[in-house]
Amino acid sequence: NAGVTQTPKFQVLKTGQSMTLQCAQDMNHNSMYWYRQDPGMGLRLIYYSASEGTTDKGEVPNGYNVSRLNKREFSLRLESAAPSQTSVYFCASRNTPGETQYFGPGTRLLVL
Amino acid sequence: GIQVEQSPPDLILQEGANSTLRCNFSDSVNNLQWFHQNPWGQLINLFYIPSGTKQNGRLSATTVATERYSLLYISSSQTTDSGVYFCAVKSGGTSYGKLTFGQGTILTVHP
Repeated sequence: NAGVTQTPKFQVLKTGQSMTLQCAQDMNHNSMYWYRQDPGMGLRLIYYSASEGTTDKGEVPNGYNVSRLNKREFSLRLESAAPSQTSVYFCASRNTPGETQYFGPGTRLLVL
Repeated sequence: GIQVEQSPPDLILQEGANSTLRCNFSDSVNNLQWFHQNPWGQLINLFYIPSGTKQNGRLSATTVATERYSLLYISSSQTTDSGVYFCAVKSGGTSYGKLTFGQGTILTVHP
């Protein structure tokens, strides 16, 4: 099993450009999450999907949209990137009723 | 929302030393996880421990849910233990599965 995979690993954008971060898991987990990590801080939840077909806002959703394409895939879209969105983005998944979240390797995004 | 505080913020050790990292949280929790973020940025699950004590090799963790704290013990530290250690919790009143992270403890182990 690959676990949780994310693409791309690194991306540079100019202000105003759009892009989609991809996440996939092969553990047949129901719930998936997108977090961002800023320097010197822990992770903050952007959006989550409790199950296929549902999505909900987390702590810091502004400027982002998500799509739960199927049970395996959960994408994060930046419609108009801003320098404040420079961060490392982590995708995670969790099987219910289990509680442990498993994290992908992260995507480093730089917005100039 | 729930608050999570980790201490110390930074810790420097010589190889072979033992250490204790602490995580305090402001509300009752039904999920607590410890993670190690290695120097390459990867987040590694260490423990799922909403209560009780667990051990895995040189690492062990104890959560005293009634007193709202958790401890991570690292014995005989190695240079590969370096990185950031995060505590993350979920309280019963938060959004489905949402984890709230502490600020982390930066551990540096010198040879």
